[in-house]
Amino acid sequence: GAVVSQHPSWVICKSGTSVKIECRSLDFQATTMFWYRQFPKQSLMLMATSNEGSKATYEQGVEKDKFLINHASLTLSTLTVTSAHPEDSSFYICSAPPRGTAGEAFFGQGTRLTVV
Amino acid sequence: KQEVTQIPAALSVPEGENLVLNCSFTDSAIYNLQWFRQDPGKGLTSLLLIQSSQREQTSGRLNASLDKSSGRSTLYIAASQPGDSATYLCAVPSGGYQKVTFGIGTKLQVIP
Repeated sequence: GAVVSQHPSWVICKSGTSVKIECRSLDFQATTMFWYRQFPKQSLMLMATSNEGSKATYEQGVEKDKFLINHASLTLSTLTVTSAHPEDSSFYICSAPPRGTAGEAFFGQGTRLTVV
Repeated sequence: KQEVTQIPAALSVPEGENLVLNCSFTDSAIYNLQWFRQDPGKGLTSLLLIQSSQREQTSGRLNASLDKSSGRSTLYIAASQPGDSATYLCAVPSGGYQKVTFGIGTKLQVIP
């Protein structure tokens, strides 16, 4: 299947700092990527849709100024958590859908963010 | 808005047992359904993808069925092994173009 690589797999940062998470499609191009997050004992929830060459679209309740998304190329989307706070500590994971895969979703390895 | 429910939330079985995990969804207008496995602190491993035109898919000891009209899917695991211990997630497309809605998952523990 298609490979989606996410980096880093885990990060610890101080409150008030920013953290960047990368999502790469390794063997295909993705004009659209999706970012999800998962709080403890909750389901994975869609945060935003990253669109190559245009602005991301955010789900209701997700602050676009706090979670900056950049999709500058067909193989890379980045999520930057700005001015991180402990409540942003979560598991973040990206998805990229290759064309011609009959709708199968491929996910990165995920990033465990801990803000202290 | 699509909602996905998974039952049971947790399951503990002795090694060797066959088991069934359940998934239900509210909007039956889906074009596929996917089952994933998530190990603690890790990403998602895709197990099975069922297209809306299919009724079941099999991979090794795993068999997933789909009844679109009733909004249900089941994941059957045969001869469970301790290595099967993980959280199993059901996911269906929502709002088009391959973004998905997940259930909260079933946490499975297989006891040696």
